[in-house]
Amino acid sequence: DAKTTQPNSMESNEEEPVHLPCNHSTISGTDYIHWYRQLPSQGPEYVIHGLTSNVNNRMASLAIAEDRKSSTLILHRATLRDAAVYYCILREGGSSNTGKLIFGQGTTLQVKP
Amino acid sequence: DTEVTQTPKHLVMGMTNKKSLKCEQHMGHRAMYWYKQKAKKPPELMFVYSYEKLSINESVPSRFSPECPNSSLLNLHLHALQPEDSALYLCASSPFAVSTNEKLFFGSGTQLSVL
Repeated sequence: DAKTTQPNSMESNEEEPVHLPCNHSTISGTDYIHWYRQLPSQGPEYVIHGLTSNVNNRMASLAIAEDRKSSTLILHRATLRDAAVYYCILREGGSSNTGKLIFGQGTTLQVKP
Repeated sequence: DTEVTQTPKHLVMGMTNKKSLKCEQHMGHRAMYWYKQKAKKPPELMFVYSYEKLSINESVPSRFSPECPNSSLLNLHLHALQPEDSALYLCASSPFAVSTNEKLFFGSGTQLSVL
């Protein structure tokens, strides 16, 4: 299973942008990059995913490096409700396409008022 | 309806008990998943069902027995568990299992304590 590396924790101030980094140097050409977040006492929640191009949705933006060995999740204006554990995940494609979603260690984001 | 519903929310059981966890979704999804999450750790994949057939078993001990009676329902039968099996058990669903380009919908989980 392809691996991801994230910082254990990050802090942000409310209403400021947050950039959450993720390294995935062993990514293969068909692996999609997924981001999920888990708020306290809840199950994980989908945030965004992409393959090669940068992606935007109502929750966040995903910036993918040209060599695809790293990516950054961008929350444009952090709110207190964004305090959660953010997981960067590679979902395997190609000949080993198993549909598995394997979570890494995640980054705990604290948002300060 | 975009919810995955898990029952019960909390469960306490002894090591000799038999219990079942239930998961339900009405989104027409054909893939369903069981994950186990210990405190302050990421979720770990246990089982994947695709079109009501078990497609992935991540070498889970036989004291955990999954069942998918129909496309909307997923059960996890528990028997002779150990205290170290205490964890949050999460259910998820997605339209299809073998696809890298779709999202999973997770339930809120069942918090299991084994005494």
